Amino acid sequence: SQQGEEDPQALSIQEGENATMNCSYKTSINNLQWYRQNSGRGLVHLILIRSNEREKHSGRLRVTLDTSKKSSSLLITASRAADTASYFCATEGVMNRDDKIIFGKGTRLHILP
Amino acid sequence: EAGVVQSPRYKIIEKKQPVAFWCNPISGHNTLYWYLQNLGQGPELLIRYENEEAVDDSQLPKDRFSAERLKGVDSTLKIQPAELGDSAVYLCASSLAGSSYEQYFGPGTRLTVT
Repeated sequence: SQQGEEDPQALSIQEGENATMNCSYKTSINNLQWYRQNSGRGLVHLILIRSNEREKHSGRLRVTLDTSKKSSSLLITASRAADTASYFCATEGVMNRDDKIIFGKGTRLHILP
Repeated sequence: EAGVVQSPRYKIIEKKQPVAFWCNPISGHNTLYWYLQNLGQGPELLIRYENEEAVDDSQLPKDRFSAERLKGVDSTLKIQPAELGDSAVYLCASSLAGSSYEQYFGPGTRLTVT
């Protein structure tokens, strides 16, 4: 399967610092998405990056995709307390209409005051 | 615009009892997903609908789980009978058309089976 696996599993940084988390997957994908989940809440979509894209930005977020290494990274710059959450990558496979969306186990980010 | 609505938010039942979850997706979204999420884990897809058709139910335990999406709008996920291991959060999500679009998630239903 092309399950994404986030790294690290947990990350604690000081407010104002940058946070980087990575996602690796196993097989070819159509796109890769990053989601955030605050404690006890539903997931919120952050960024979708397609297989023919290498980098995308959205506010303080920067996502890169390296299809040769089958990996993606999510960078959050100038972190804030509100960024404390779990972050998941989700990959969509390329198997026709049965493309599967598979989520990783997530990175738990904690922003220290 | 209203988001994805799920009910109930919490449910506590005894094992072997039936339970049903309801989801109302965002208006106009053709694709609807049901996920299961265990504590500390990512969501695991149970079933995906494109309009009324279940296009991916390979991860749905069909001996006890069933789902329907009548008229291609609302959806219901049922478990009968529930087992202790079914305790989890059940998430519903919708997207505009297929899995190449961002998914919008509901708040989930937290199920506890005692």
